Amino acid sequence: QVQLQESGPGLVRPSQTLSLTCTVSGDSINYGAYYWTWIRQHPGKGLEWIGYISYSGDTDSKSSLQNRVSMAMDTSKNQFSLKLTSVVAADTAVYYCARGSLPAYNDGWTFDFWGQGTLVTVSS
Amino acid sequence: SSELTQDPSVSVALGQTVRITCQGDNLRNYYASWYQQKPGQAPVLVIYGQNKRPSGIPDRFLGSSSRNTASLTITGAQAGDEADYYCSSRDSSGNVFGGGTKLTVL
Repeated sequence: QVQLQESGPGLVRPSQTLSLTCTVSGDSINYGAYYWTWIRQHPGKGLEWIGYISYSGDTDSKSSLQNRVSMAMDTSKNQFSLKLTSVVAADTAVYYCARGSLPAYNDGWTFDFWGQGTLVTVSS
Repeated sequence: SSELTQDPSVSVALGQTVRITCQGDNLRNYYASWYQQKPGQAPVLVIYGQNKRPSGIPDRFLGSSSRNTASLTITGAQAGDEADYYCSSRDSSGNVFGGGTKLTVL
């Protein structure tokens, strides 16, 4: 069974950098056609796709966040990470990591395993 | 980027059938996936592709698609089905989620 676990500070000061790590067990992040994804959920709101880092290290992110987002992977620890710079209160959210895939050519992105989520609050 | 539109709330009587819909232009080209989220929990994939269910999801959950609309149908609704449901699909800049539908089982 694939398991994902987010970790990182629960409180980040405005204008600072949010840094989260997702530790994966039960699968190797650099094997198989999977896209290791970050998704967030503002309090009481819906889901928002942030971006992914692929099994081969390619990255893509939501256009409105692209200039603040970076993602990386550490295959030795089977972890991938998210950095979001210049955070503001609107970045307060529960951040999820998930395993994404495209099962067929006309399927949408499919996120079959998720971490439990971690609340990050941006506040001074 | 494109949008996916869902009704904010839907209700169903216990044991009855309910359909949750999701509209968006990209659904003409790509199938949606559907996620169930209960309070305080991470979303769970219930339907993906052309009506495919992950292991462990009962066959009471059915997916369908027509033109720009994807639908999640739940037959024989149970109290445990009460949750928020989100659709999701590809768009030109990656992925987009619908706003979510809160399902109430009466």
